[in-house]
Amino acid sequence: DAKTTQPNSMESNEEEPVHLPCNHSTISGTDYIHWYRQLPSQGPEYVIHGLTSNVNNRMASLAIAEDRKSSTLILHRATLRDAAVYYCILGDKIIFGKGTRLHILP
Amino acid sequence: SAVISQKPSRDICQRGTSLTIQCQVDSQVTMMFWYRQQPGQSLTLIATANQGSEATYESGFVIDKFPISRPNLTFSTLTVSNMSPEDSSIYLCSVEAFDRGSGEQYFGPGTRLTVT
Repeated sequence: DAKTTQPNSMESNEEEPVHLPCNHSTISGTDYIHWYRQLPSQGPEYVIHGLTSNVNNRMASLAIAEDRKSSTLILHRATLRDAAVYYCILGDKIIFGKGTRLHILP
Repeated sequence: SAVISQKPSRDICQRGTSLTIQCQVDSQVTMMFWYRQQPGQSLTLIATANQGSEATYESGFVIDKFPISRPNLTFSTLTVSNMSPEDSSIYLCSVEAFDRGSGEQYFGPGTRLTVT
């Protein structure tokens, strides 16, 4: 399985954009890139996924590097409710790593 | 999206006993998944359950310890057998979204199990 690397934790100010990076240098050509998040005391929540092109939805944007060896989840305007652990996952089997714990400062 | 419910929401069990966790989905789905989240840890995939076939277990998980049933397209059970305190975890089921193959999954609220 292709591996992902994410920072352990990040901080951001409320109402500012947040860029959450993910490196996946061993990604294969058919691997989707998925992002999930887990809010405190809740089950994981799907955020977004993509294959090659950048993707936007109500929750976030996903920017995928041209060589697909890295991607960035963009929260356009962070709120306190966005404080969670964010997971970058490759492939069609959802296997969770350690993720990035995002802290939002009021 | 899919609405997923799990029963029980939590339980406290004695070591050596077994607990069966139920997962109900409000629509028919092909693939269901069972995960475990130990305290302070990330989620670990236990097995994948397709209707009409035996579950596929991940490395480190065996059918004798975690038997799974999948009698129809909206329901599954996971049994945690011969429990020990190390089995204290949150157990979650999830289903794959309609766009099959994309990996988009929806998760239930989880069952919090404490083994004493």
